[in-house]
Amino acid sequence: ETGVTQSPTHLIKTRGQQVTLRCSSQSGHNTVSWYQQALGQGPQFIFQYYREEENGRGNFPPRFSGLQFPNYSSELNVNALELDDSALYLCASSFGQGDQETQYFGPGTRLLVL
Amino acid sequence: AQSVTQPDIHITVSEGASLELRCNYSYGATPYLFWYVQSPGQGLQLLLKYFSGDTLVQGIKGFEAEFKRSQSSFNLRKPSVHWSDAAEYFCAVGASASGTYKYIFGTGTRLKVLA
Repeated sequence: ETGVTQSPTHLIKTRGQQVTLRCSSQSGHNTVSWYQQALGQGPQFIFQYYREEENGRGNFPPRFSGLQFPNYSSELNVNALELDDSALYLCASSFGQGDQETQYFGPGTRLLVL
Repeated sequence: AQSVTQPDIHITVSEGASLELRCNYSYGATPYLFWYVQSPGQGLQLLLKYFSGDTLVQGIKGFEAEFKRSQSSFNLRKPSVHWSDAAEYFCAVGASASGTYKYIFGTGTRLKVLA
C-alpha cells in the first residue's frame, strides 16, 4: 500500500464525452504525476503538477488537462473522449520533483470509451 | 533519445527456478533506474531502485538488480521464483527535462510461473 488513492476504479464513457479522474497523494507529498497505460504497454507520462502548477507535459493533446488542489490532491480531465483514450490511468505522488524522488503509484482508474 | 527496452515480452519459469528479466536503457546522464511489478488489474508496486553507489541493489520480495553502465543494463533477478511472482514487470528510468522529472517505462515483461 502506497497511500495513493484513485477514484473511480472503473469508468465507462462514450466517444465525445468528458471524464474527470481523481487522485489523493500520499501524505507529505506535493507532486503528482499522471500516466496513461494502454493495454499491453508501459505507462506513458501525461503531465506533472507541483504545488498546484503544471510542471511539465508529455506528448498528449490539450484535451488532457489537470488540476492540483491546495491539499495536493489532483484531477485529470479528458475532453472529447476518443476510443484510443481507453486505458488504465495511473497517478503517482512524490515529495518534490528532484531526480532522486521516488514516485509512488496508485491503483489506477480503468477507463473504457465506447 | 531516452528509452527503456525490455526485450522479453513473455517469460515462463517453473516454481523454484531462477529468474532474470532484462532491461536496457538509453539515457545521456547518470540514470536513476527502477523496477516495478504490476499484478492483474492493479497499480505499480516498487520493487527496487538504483540511484548511485553499489551496483547490486536489493529489493522487496527477494528481488535484486544489477546496474551495468558498460552494457546500459539493469537486469532484475530472483534466485527462486514463487507462484505469487506471476505478474508483469516494468523497468523505468527517471528522466529530467526542462525542470520536469518523469519516468520512462519499458513495455513490460509478463512472467508466468508453472507449478
